[in-house]
This record gives sequence, structure tokens and C-alpha cells, in this order.
Amino acid sequence: GAGVSQSPSNKVTEKGKDVELRCDPISGHTALYWYRQSLGQGLEFLIYFQGNSAPDKSGLPSDRFSAERTGGSVSTLTIQRTQQEDSAVYLCASTPGPFSTDTQYFGPGTRLTVL
Amino acid sequence: QQQVKQSPQSLIVQKGGISIINCAYENTAFDYFPWYQQFPGKGPALLIAIRPDVSEKKEGRFTISFNKSAKQFSLHIMDSQPGDSATYFCAASSGGGTSYGKLTFGQGTILTVHP
Repeated sequence: GAGVSQSPSNKVTEKGKDVELRCDPISGHTALYWYRQSLGQGLEFLIYFQGNSAPDKSGLPSDRFSAERTGGSVSTLTIQRTQQEDSAVYLCASTPGPFSTDTQYFGPGTRLTVL
Repeated sequence: QQQVKQSPQSLIVQKGGISIINCAYENTAFDYFPWYQQFPGKGPALLIAIRPDVSEKKEGRFTISFNKSAKQFSLHIMDSQPGDSATYFCAASSGGGTSYGKLTFGQGTILTVHP
């Protein structure tokens, strides 16, 4: 079956521009995560969605970052007024349920480069 | 207290050798410890995971050793193969397996297995 898909795979933008990154989770998965992976670093949690519950936004690094999940499926991560330090790979993961032991299935990521 | 510290940053092993990657944590509430494997250009994929009620878990050539008192856990790859060359991440979460617990990732280890 289809895995988690993300688009675009690569995005190059100029400092100060807004960008939107898209994540299509595995069909039927109720939970969705966004992570950021900077060069040589581990995965940094950004935001978590579960069903219709309020998202856990505790990992968003600034108010320039926002995310939404429409209809409990597709999610969009928006970065406003991009800065060079936003350059990273943005990964999305989905899980079949809301539990801590549910396997997170990752997409291939979007590589964002801010010039 | 939420950190998971991983070492070494990089590891070179000959084919057939044993690869060992170590992680340490501070948060005693962590109760789920997965390892993820990531190939270049791909998202991480779950490799093996352990709960703290056991000291060791083995799946094929991959073994997790867990030391609760020392708050350390490690991944052992027996008979390492060139196809094992990848980045490995340890992670930890708390949630009791019945509620949401976001994963905290280590910084990653780049493993290279020479033929």
C-alpha cells in the first residue's frame, strides 16, 4: 500500500518568502507528526495532530511556523518569512493510533533551502 | 531532562563485525525506546523497539540491550553487512503505551560497513 508522501521533495526559496510543505499520511492513520532534521542533527519534534483533538504545538520554534490538518488527513506546514536557519529536511510521520508505542511511518521529507 | 544522548556520531565497521551504538537518557518517565534506520534520501524507518520491563530484545541480527538503572540502552548489529550502512537514531517516549508520548530522538550515528 501507499506510504506517507510529501511534496515538494525539494524547495529552494529566498529569505523572507513564505513556503508551504504538504504531507499525505497513510490512509486511515489518525495521528500525524511533523519533525525537522537539520544537517547532522537528530529529528526535532515540531507538531502533533490526533483526530479532532487540539494539536500539540509545543515544538514549533517560532510563530512563523504553523500547521493545519484538514479533514483528519492531509497536513500543511507553513513557514512565513523564511530565514536561512530554517533550511533543513522537514519530515512527516503518521501512526495508526494515538499511542506512544504506535510505529511512526515517515515520509521521504522535503528538503528546504533558504537562500 | 528530555534529551537523549547518542554515541558515537560515526562508526566504521568491517563486514562481519559487530556494530554497537549507545544511548543515554535522563527522564525516568521514558518507557518506550525505539531505534530507527535511515538511508540517504529516505525517511527513518522503525528497526526495533524495547520496553523497560525487559533487558534485551533480539530480532535477527539486531539486538537492543537495556539497562534501566544506568538509564542507558544500546543497539548491537551482529555480522554487519554493507547494506546496513545507514544513519541510526535512538529515541524515547513516555506515555505508558496507552496515551500519546512524543518521541525524543538522539543525534544519530552514521554507520559505514566496509566490504
